[in-house]
Amino acid sequence: EAGVAQSPRYKIIEKRQSVAFWCNPISGHATLYWYQQILGQGPKLLIQFQNNGVVDDSQLPKDRFSAERLKGVDSTLKIQPAKLEDSAVYLCASSPLFREQFFGPGTRLTVL
Amino acid sequence: AQTVTQSQPEMSVQEAETVTLSCTYDTSESDYYLFWYKQPPSRQMILVIRQEAYKQQNATENRFSVNFQKAAKSFSLKISDSQLGDAAMYFCAYRSGSQGGSEKLVFGKGTKLTVNP
Repeated sequence: EAGVAQSPRYKIIEKRQSVAFWCNPISGHATLYWYQQILGQGPKLLIQFQNNGVVDDSQLPKDRFSAERLKGVDSTLKIQPAKLEDSAVYLCASSPLFREQFFGPGTRLTVL
Repeated sequence: AQTVTQSQPEMSVQEAETVTLSCTYDTSESDYYLFWYKQPPSRQMILVIRQEAYKQQNATENRFSVNFQKAAKSFSLKISDSQLGDAAMYFCAYRSGSQGGSEKLVFGKGTKLTVNP
């Protein structure tokens, strides 16, 4: 069974630029999550989708972050414009309903 | 809001020895799940073990076991016969058991485990 795929693995941008991350969950998983992991901290949920609907985006900085999950499969997370404090690893995870979450390898973002 | 605290930023253990990682949490809910995740340097988070709050019996997965003390809100991880491959960041995480809402994991800050040969 293929795992959660993410791309790119690394991204370096300058502040005020835009960036997008892509996630392909495990086939058949209804729920998809984006987490932000700042160096030295545990991951923090940004947004949770169930199929293509948003369940929880309470910690998503909506003035600069946006996410979508078209057709209830792949998802894209966008940041525009990026700030220095957005430097982090962005983790995507997926799960069947009410089951354990499986994580992807993450995208390491550096904002200069 | 739920919080998870890991008070040991770093731990080390000799190969083949036993080590215990600590975790405490705070919640007002009665139905929840607790997890230990392992994150090796490659960054892919892997589930090590899970515990349902309604179960009194401590979970065990091969060399990994937990000591779940519900009243004390404590959830420690014991690794027996430590191996070099156990070296990683270990995160304790909480998830609400109520269905229909957010299934987010609330993580602690992690404990870096070093295994010495």
